[in-house]
Amino acid sequence: DAKTTQPPSMDCAEGRAANLPCNHSTISGNEYVYWYRQIHSQGPQYIIHGLKNNETNEMASLIITEDRKSSTLILPHATLRDTAVYYCIVKGSYGKLTFGQGTILTVHP
Amino acid sequence: SAVISQKPSRDICQRGTSLTIQCQVDSQVTMMFWYRQQPGQSLTLIATANQGSEATYESGFVIDKFPISRPNLTFSTLTVSNMSPEDSSIYLCSVFGPGLAVTDTQYFGPGTRLTVL
Repeated sequence: DAKTTQPPSMDCAEGRAANLPCNHSTISGNEYVYWYRQIHSQGPQYIIHGLKNNETNEMASLIITEDRKSSTLILPHATLRDTAVYYCIVKGSYGKLTFGQGTILTVHP
Repeated sequence: SAVISQKPSRDICQRGTSLTIQCQVDSQVTMMFWYRQQPGQSLTLIATANQGSEATYESGFVIDKFPISRPNLTFSTLTVSNMSPEDSSIYLCSVFGPGLAVTDTQYFGPGTRLTVL
């Protein structure tokens, strides 16, 4: 599975949009981009995934560039409860997520 | 989505002893995974457990240290054997399924926080 690069930390004001970038320049055609988050000491929580089209669900939006070499997770109205470590993962078939260091997002009042 | 429970949620153990962690899923799943998260670190995959076959271990993890059982499609156990303080971690069960489609989502249990003295 392709490797991802994320900034180690980001800050966001409560109520504003949080835009978390991820680079995955070696992604192959059949690999999906997954986003998970881990709130302090809990199990990782699935957020969203996509292949090449932009995706939106009740939690977030995922924007994937046309060349698929990078993506952005958007939390439209961040709250204090969104403070967590966010993991961008590129995954092929048959599961087995491989976690990097992720981005520590801190939402402040 | 799959609902996953783990027992115990936390434990404090003495070095040299063993602890068995249980993972129960509310639906039948094909693949189950065990991860370890050491303090301040990201998650590391220990092994993949498929029902009816031996677990497949990742590099750096061996069956003698982390024996795994998978008796059916909803349950698995991970044993941490002959523990040392370096085994102090959060151990997480994860499931992928119910099928093997690449778009199936992987879900995680709440974790077991282990402290070895």
